[in-house]
Amino acid sequence: DTAVSQTPKYLVTQMGNDKSIKCEQNLGHDTMYWYKQDSKKFLKIMFSYNNKELIINETVPNRFSPKSPDKAHLNLHINSLELGDSAVYFCASSPGLAGIRETQYFGPGTRLLVL
Amino acid sequence: AQTVTQSQPEMSVQEAETVTLSCTYDTSESDYYLFWYKQPPSRQMILVIRQEAYKQQNATENRFSVNFQKAAKSFSLKISDSQLGDAAMYFCAYRRKTNFGNEKLTFGTGTRLTIIP
Repeated sequence: DTAVSQTPKYLVTQMGNDKSIKCEQNLGHDTMYWYKQDSKKFLKIMFSYNNKELIINETVPNRFSPKSPDKAHLNLHINSLELGDSAVYFCASSPGLAGIRETQYFGPGTRLLVL
Repeated sequence: AQTVTQSQPEMSVQEAETVTLSCTYDTSESDYYLFWYKQPPSRQMILVIRQEAYKQQNATENRFSVNFQKAAKSFSLKISDSQLGDAAMYFCAYRRKTNFGNEKLTFGTGTRLTIIP
């Protein structure tokens, strides 16, 4: 009964390839997020979607394209992978309603290594 | 823009002792939320405790409590009776309060906590 799941957990690939990371939540939440954690452990928001609509798009290269087929899924596709894309990518979700229920729940992370 | 600062990259504490992790933040908002997340070696981000800015009472969750000083923009985490399982990276995070509830979390740089048996 995993709340927020991500696949794959580990991804090793060559520079220039295209890859996708999938995220699913079974919490019935309306809002989903992608965060990137770099090698120094710094966590930064990349995107958020509310009911399949893009809400937040931080300064992220357009090689990164999120896709939300429904409100329970938010996938991250990355084109032309670069060495600097190596990081841990976290998916998160929250109810989408104002208030303390806005706590975000995180997936287990996907460690991406670009060689 | 909001910023969150954790000035202690590493801390250590003897098992069963008490430790306090510091966090300060900068915001022009009057109402917001603050969180502490724990990231053990498994990488999972786990919510430890949360605080609403308009509440003066400090939040507590079992052995975890916060000292929230709104005027000083300080939000420290106290862990009592430290256990080996508390060893992890601890992140302080800020979220602006809006009517839409889909605001991002702004994280500090983390504090690595080591528990000494």
